[in-house]
Amino acid sequence: AQTVTQSQPEMSVQEAETVTLSCTYDTSESDYYLFWYKQPPSRQMILVIRQEAYKQQNATENRFSVNFQKAAKSFSLKISDSQLGDAAMYFCAYKEGGSQGNLIFGKGTKLSVKP
Amino acid sequence: KAGVTQTPRYLIKTRGQQVTLSCSPISGHRSVSWYQQTPGQGLQFLFEYFSETQRNKGNFPGRFSGRQFSNSRSEMNVSTLELGDSALYLCASSLSGQGRKETQYFGPGTRLLVL
Repeated sequence: AQTVTQSQPEMSVQEAETVTLSCTYDTSESDYYLFWYKQPPSRQMILVIRQEAYKQQNATENRFSVNFQKAAKSFSLKISDSQLGDAAMYFCAYKEGGSQGNLIFGKGTKLSVKP
Repeated sequence: KAGVTQTPRYLIKTRGQQVTLSCSPISGHRSVSWYQQTPGQGLQFLFEYFSETQRNKGNFPGRFSGRQFSNSRSEMNVSTLELGDSALYLCASSLSGQGRKETQYFGPGTRLLVL
């Protein structure tokens, strides 16, 4: 069965600095998708960034970028120029390609941003 | 375009009662998935509906059920509530769950408290 591991329960970053959140996953599939979701105190799950496994190029969305290492099954999230509004729980998620795949989430990393 | 909506947002029930939660997907989205979020177990997949048919199911007892209507709105029902059913129930929708349309967008959740 596929698993997703986030080894950092909590992280802290200074405002305007850069932070990297780690995620590893285990799968024997070749067609899959990886996501980072953000869950602020409001509990609304917000999509941050998405990566298709067949794409070698790392996805970027403004201040957010990923380091996707397919062979190592690693999918880390880098947040540049951290802002107070970035403080939230961050979940890494895996989804198998095709119609039968559901999202499998890691346990999450709580990110604090210090002013 | 309006996002995913869930009703009610908060609910208090007693053990043994049953509850129905509702989810309206983003317009045009035909796939609806449900997840349970608890502090102990994290985010767990309940089931997914597509075109009024349950396409995928997680490892939950039969007390948890769902359905989808022709307009893609979905409901989930929990019968004979137990204290352990207290959780945040999240609904997510996607276009079809296949290919590049894999991305799931989440609603704000329904917080259920069982006393």
